Amino acid sequence: AQKVTQAQTEISVVEKEDVTLDCVYETRDTTYYLFWYKQPPSGELVFLIRRNSFDEQNEISGRYSWNFQKSTSSFNFTITASQVVDSAVYFCALAPNSGYSTLTFGKGTMLLVSP
Amino acid sequence: EPEVTQTPSHQVTQMGQEVILRCVPISNHLYFYWYRQILGQKVEFLVSFYNNEISEKSEIFDDQFSVERPDGSNFTLKIRSTKLEDSAMYFCASQRDRGITEAFFGQGTRLTVV
Repeated sequence: AQKVTQAQTEISVVEKEDVTLDCVYETRDTTYYLFWYKQPPSGELVFLIRRNSFDEQNEISGRYSWNFQKSTSSFNFTITASQVVDSAVYFCALAPNSGYSTLTFGKGTMLLVSP
Repeated sequence: EPEVTQTPSHQVTQMGQEVILRCVPISNHLYFYWYRQILGQKVEFLVSFYNNEISEKSEIFDDQFSVERPDGSNFTLKIRSTKLEDSAMYFCASQRDRGITEAFFGQGTRLTVV
């Protein structure tokens, strides 16, 4: 069985602060994929990143960075210099390497960035 | 940029009525999915569809639910006799190929059962 845990239900920060969203996963698969999605107040799901289990290299994209630690089954997401537009619910998700992208989502972390 | 389109954006229906939620996946995609999100909760997988048949479904996807791709373009989710607990946001997603590429989600249809 696959499971994704996002222990932080809600985080509040002030603009320009850095913030890290935690994600811990469980899977018996030896190969798998991890994702982060953003859900702004408008409700759509916006893809942010996909990472396969073979690639533990950390990734940076602008103000976003991801830290994949296979040894601790974690895939944390950091926003540097947060902005009000970053306010959203962020979901971490896990997919098996079966050829089908059936995503198991965490419960999400609501990030509130105030001016 | 190609996108997954869902209609309607919001549907209100009476308990016991049938509803059909519609999705137009990205045109060269081969794998299609429905997910749902009950208000304030996590997104849950319902069903995946490939080559005109269901490839996987969750426990949520019982006999009240069905999917089809009637015309090679639309991908629909039908709920035969809606219940109050079916109220949720329903997301359609599509994926290009068998390898693990990302799934692109539509904007969602908010279904309210009264």
